[in-house]
Amino acid sequence: AQSVTQPDIHITVSEGASLELRCNYSYGATPYLFWYVQSPGQGLQLLLKYFSGDTLVQGIKGFEAEFKRSQSSFNLRKPSVHWSDAAEYFCAVPNSGYALNFGKGTSLLVTP
Amino acid sequence: DTGVSQNPRHKITKRGQNVTFRCDPISEHNRLYWYRQTLGQGPEFLTYFQNEAQLEKSRLLSDRFSAERPKGSFSTLEIQRTEQGDSAMYLCASTATGNQPQHFGDGTRLSIL
Repeated sequence: AQSVTQPDIHITVSEGASLELRCNYSYGATPYLFWYVQSPGQGLQLLLKYFSGDTLVQGIKGFEAEFKRSQSSFNLRKPSVHWSDAAEYFCAVPNSGYALNFGKGTSLLVTP
Repeated sequence: DTGVSQNPRHKITKRGQNVTFRCDPISEHNRLYWYRQTLGQGPEFLTYFQNEAQLEKSRLLSDRFSAERPKGSFSTLEIQRTEQGDSAMYLCASTATGNQPQHFGDGTRLSIL
């Protein structure tokens, strides 16, 4: 089954610093891939999606992600992190019925 | 577009009781998904509907769980004889077609005493 792995459980960055959250996928063909963000006690908000075409995908809130087939990765990046970016971030890939398989998530802490 | 709405937001109940959650998807979305999320984990798929038809159920959906979407609009998820292990956030999501991004509600947090 399609799956994703997020190797980093927690990441701490200083406000204004750049951010990269890792996601590795396990799938033979080119997958659909998603990044979602979850604030405490809230549902998930879509940041960006990759279906095909350009491997660099722009999302909301200044986030972008790059699909790299050679590395089976879809890492999320942001050039300058704001305190409001502190949240849980999930990478996801759909299964055959389009239900999403999520990674375990990366918790982002932003320090002043 | 008022978003996906879930009720209640929080539910506290005693072990052994039955609980029911409701999800109202975005009105034009014909696909509706239920997920469960435990602390420190990503959401795990439970079941999904296309219109009123329940097309897939995961192995997580034991026989104590039942979901319905009677008219292809709102959906309910019922848990009978709740157990401590049922404590989790239950998330609902909807989408217009299968390969489009899913829109999530804010979830129902279930606590079993």
